[in-house]
Amino acid sequence: EVHLLESGGDLLQPGGSLRLSCAASGFTFATYAMNWVRQAPGKGLEWVSAISGDGRHTYYADSVKGRFTISRDNSKDTLYLQMNSLRAEDTAVYYCAKDRGMTTLSYEDFWGQGTLVTVSS
Amino acid sequence: QPVLTQSSSASASLGSSVKLTCSLNSGNSYYIIAWHQQQPGKAPRFLMKLEGSGSYNRGSGVPDRFSGSSSGADRYLIISNLQSDDEADYYCETWDSYSRVFGGGTKLTVL
Repeated sequence: EVHLLESGGDLLQPGGSLRLSCAASGFTFATYAMNWVRQAPGKGLEWVSAISGDGRHTYYADSVKGRFTISRDNSKDTLYLQMNSLRAEDTAVYYCAKDRGMTTLSYEDFWGQGTLVTVSS
Repeated sequence: QPVLTQSSSASASLGSSVKLTCSLNSGNSYYIIAWHQQQPGKAPRFLMKLEGSGSYNRGSGVPDRFSGSSSGADRYLIISNLQSDDEADYYCETWDSYSRVFGGGTKLTVL
């Protein structure tokens, strides 16, 4: 059974930094691309970033490009999102999601439970 | 990049059927999409992949009450024999080689 467990969410001030983690189990982690998707309070889903199974290819939404960095450690079956220069509009629940694709993007077929990031002064 | 348009809300009676629509913008009618369900207070759940031909593949454990169809640039999620726990937000999404986009979501109320 696929299981994705996010951690690292916190309350922090604008301009701060945070690293989210997503521990994966139940599938061959290194085979599949992975995604971060966020949801601001009361709003819809917004794709943030994705990374290929081998970690060589990364993709970002324009809203986070240059501030966020996605990475993975396939020896630990763990996905990361380093978030810098955080803004109030980055406040959201951040979901880790397994991609159906391997190198290129496809659709998310499994989702984690999410971790809350709040950016406020 | 494609744009996906969804009605903000829909409603239908318990035990009936409902058809939710996700529309691709002009020039992008060939895109494959996915449907996801998000029950109140929960994480999203993948329902199905849906192609422009109308062919669809449900996710693991998704009941066969959930089906899909397509017509031109429109992609449909059909839910039959509505249950109370089908009351949820439903999102469509699509993707290309470098990014993905979600529709705004449809809030389904089961009467």
